[in-house]
Amino acid sequence: GQSLEQPSEVTAVEGAIVQINCTYQTSGFYGLSWYQQHDGGAPTFLSYNALDGLEETGRFSSFLSRSDSYGYLLLQELQMKDSASYFCAVRDLNTGGFKTIFGAGTRLFVKA
Amino acid sequence: NAGVTQTPKFQVLKTGQSMTLQCAQDMNHEYMSWYRQDPGMGLRLIHYSVGAGITDQGEVPNGYNVSRSTTEDFPLRLLSAAPSQTSVYFCASSYSGGGAKDTQYFGPGTRLTVL
Repeated sequence: GQSLEQPSEVTAVEGAIVQINCTYQTSGFYGLSWYQQHDGGAPTFLSYNALDGLEETGRFSSFLSRSDSYGYLLLQELQMKDSASYFCAVRDLNTGGFKTIFGAGTRLFVKA
Repeated sequence: NAGVTQTPKFQVLKTGQSMTLQCAQDMNHEYMSWYRQDPGMGLRLIHYSVGAGITDQGEVPNGYNVSRSTTEDFPLRLLSAAPSQTSVYFCASSYSGGGAKDTQYFGPGTRLTVL
């Protein structure tokens, strides 16, 4: 089966850099996505890695290594508003990408 | 564009009652899906649709039915509500649903409690 593992919680200080890891077990997938969800809100798309390497979008970067079955989301210059849950997700290759599997999420606490 | 809309926002049911959660999108997306989110468990796929008239099961389909008669609408029916179905339900849509980068857009969610 498919599974994604993330740390349940991460705490960091405002202005710092934090890395949220995602390790996965899957027989095949199209790419690794990251979503952000604030308390009481809906998930919103942050970043996507189709190929190995680093993708940068403003303060957020995401990395993928298929050989290591590993990816991470990097948040720089942390702000209080970054306190949220972050989910990694893959689209299952075996179903043509129509089934998305999400990790359980990492709760990020940003302290002043 | 309203994006993805869901109704109702909150619902309380008694065990055994049935109801339909509504989902609509105005982005002309072919792919739509329903997820449930329980504390500490992330999002789990219930059912999905790759176009009008085509639906398929996700990870946790038992107790739920779906249909897709139009591109815009994708309702989720609870046949006989059980306390285990207490959850937050999200509907999502994306352009194609398969292959490479294809962002999913989520609705605001329906918070369902089954007593």
